[in-house]
Amino acid sequence: DVQMTQSPSSLSASVGDRVTITCRASQRISTYLNWYQQKPGQAPKLLIYDASRLQSGVPSRFSGSGSVTDFTLTISSLQPEDFATYYCQQSYSIPTTFGPGTKVDIK
Amino acid sequence: QVQLQESGPGLVKPSQTLSLTCTVSGDSISTGSHYWSWIRQSAGKGLEWIGRIYTSGRAHYNPSLNSRVTISVDTSKNQFSLRLSSVTAADTAVYYCARDRGSIPVAGYFDYWGQGALVTVSS
Repeated sequence: DVQMTQSPSSLSASVGDRVTITCRASQRISTYLNWYQQKPGQAPKLLIYDASRLQSGVPSRFSGSGSVTDFTLTISSLQPEDFATYYCQQSYSIPTTFGPGTKVDIK
Repeated sequence: QVQLQESGPGLVKPSQTLSLTCTVSGDSISTGSHYWSWIRQSAGKGLEWIGRIYTSGRAHYNPSLNSRVTISVDTSKNQFSLRLSSVTAADTAVYYCARDRGSIPVAGYFDYWGQGALVTVSS
């Protein structure tokens, strides 16, 4: 299985901050990398697919980049509703696997 | 608007079989445009993909659970179901169903999710 790691595991930030989360795959996965946001008590919500494609309805302050094994999710200006946990997921091979998550909370 | 809803018992005894059903609205499983997946989330193991099914009934499973999992589809009811046998406390989790945008041979991303169903394994 492809192992996914994320860093940091948590971070504290203020409204308006630029936030970057990193995801690394244990094998080459091209751009088969997706990002999700999850708030407490809710299902994950798709933000970015295929490394950099913005899901319909997701604000443009979210962006994704990277390829092969190293990927980033960037929030250009953190908003109050963005405090949540973020997960990456590789869809290169079955079984698909998720990263352990990055929790973004209020500084 | 695509919606998915999980249903089934919230409490299962050890060694018994966990059964959940996902009812889909706003999309038709029978059109064959997507796969349909089950994913679970526990405090100990994070998000774990269980398996997926296509309208034809062809299924793919996570090898870590393969021997215990069966996913089936009922296109007449626009539903798909999960059965996980010989459960233990380690199977306690929130179980999600989701629309899977994958295709052979790759996996997919999940663009619509159910709200999740907490299943506790306990005697």
